[in-house]
Amino acid sequence: AQSVTQPDIHITVSEGASLELRCNYSYGATPYLFWYVQSPGQGLQLLLKYFSGDTLVQGIKGFEAEFKRSQSSFNLRKPSVHWSDAAEYFCAVGPPSGGYQKVTFGTGTKLQVIP
Amino acid sequence: NAGVTQTPKFQVLKTGQSMTLQCAQDMNHNSMYWYRQDPGMGLRLIYYSASEGTTDKGEVPNGYNVSRLNKREFSLRLESAAPSQTSVYFCASRGGAGGQNIQYFGAGTRLSVL
Repeated sequence: AQSVTQPDIHITVSEGASLELRCNYSYGATPYLFWYVQSPGQGLQLLLKYFSGDTLVQGIKGFEAEFKRSQSSFNLRKPSVHWSDAAEYFCAVGPPSGGYQKVTFGTGTKLQVIP
Repeated sequence: NAGVTQTPKFQVLKTGQSMTLQCAQDMNHNSMYWYRQDPGMGLRLIYYSASEGTTDKGEVPNGYNVSRLNKREFSLRLESAAPSQTSVYFCASRGGAGGQNIQYFGAGTRLSVL
């Protein structure tokens, strides 16, 4: 069964510092991988996705993520965090396309940004 | 450019009451989903509909029913609400060019069952 682990429940960084949020997945083949962001009181917004090809993917708001097959990881990074990045971040995994695809979400990492 | 619209945004119920959460999407997507979000548990799939006219159970279907009224609308019903159903409920639809598995989410319904 597919699964996603986000080992960090809560992370605090200073504004302007770099950020890395960890995500490990379990899946039998190359999955589709996603990062979503959820601001307080809002729904989830897609930050970026990996389907195939270049393992370093760029997303919105200056975020990027790198797919490492050997480590079953898809970590999210940002070189310089802004106060507006404070939110909860969810990693998700789903199978390649073809009919209905069940997407499994991690439990989320809550990011706090301090001045 | 509404995307996925959920109503209501907030609801308070008493134990045993029933209600229906509404969801509509205007992106012509085939697949639609209902999730619940609880602290520390991420999103858990309640029910999904791969296409109009079909529905299937997800991870946590007990206590819920769904209706895929047409391609646009997918409703979630609580027949007899219980305090354990206090949660934030999200509807999503899936679509994208080339069959990409991208889900688009509504803003959520915050439900409290007393």
